[in-house]
Amino acid sequence: AQRVTQPEKLLSVFKGAPVELKCNYSYSGSPELFWYVQYSRQRLQLLLRHISRESIKGFTADLNKGETSFHLKKPFAQEEDSAMYYCFEPGGSQGNLIFGKGTKLSVKP
Amino acid sequence: DTEVTQTPKHLVMGMTNKKSLKCEQHMGHRAMYWYKQKAKKPPELMFVYSYEKLSINESVPSRFSPECPNSSLLNLHLHALQPEDSALYLCASSQVGGELFFGEGSRLTVL
Repeated sequence: AQRVTQPEKLLSVFKGAPVELKCNYSYSGSPELFWYVQYSRQRLQLLLRHISRESIKGFTADLNKGETSFHLKKPFAQEEDSAMYYCFEPGGSQGNLIFGKGTKLSVKP
Repeated sequence: DTEVTQTPKHLVMGMTNKKSLKCEQHMGHRAMYWYKQKAKKPPELMFVYSYEKLSINESVPSRFSPECPNSSLLNLHLHALQPEDSALYLCASSQVGGELFFGEGSRLTVL
């Protein structure tokens, strides 16, 4: 079954430090991967999708098929980046629509 | 209108009550979803409707009954729930195979 793994429950960094939130996937075909973010008391919202290769709020994510990873990166973290981040894989034709367990990012002043 | 609207925001019900959660979107999306999210956990998929037909039921107990009256509305009927069903219930919509847009959720407490 398709699966996404986020190995870190919590990641704590200081403001201005680089951030990397890890996501690994197990998928036999061509995966379609997303990063969603949930700020405190706000709705879950899309941050990035791998096919668009865009940068949102300074975050980027590259699909690495060799390492089966889709890590989320930002060179300089800001306090407002503190939130819960979920890696998401729709699951292709089976439509499992699976979220990873999530990583809580805490950016300290 | 680019939002998914869920009502009520909060609901408290007893184990013998019957209540419903409602979800509405006017983005022309033809796929709609119910997710359940417990505290500090990721959302768990419950149901998927595609073109108003139930396409995925993730082995959800029958005390949860989804309904899609039309392409803009999605309901979740609740009956004889248990305290462990207390959670945030999230509705989402998308173009089929596209990005999911989420509502703010309905926070359910079962006494």
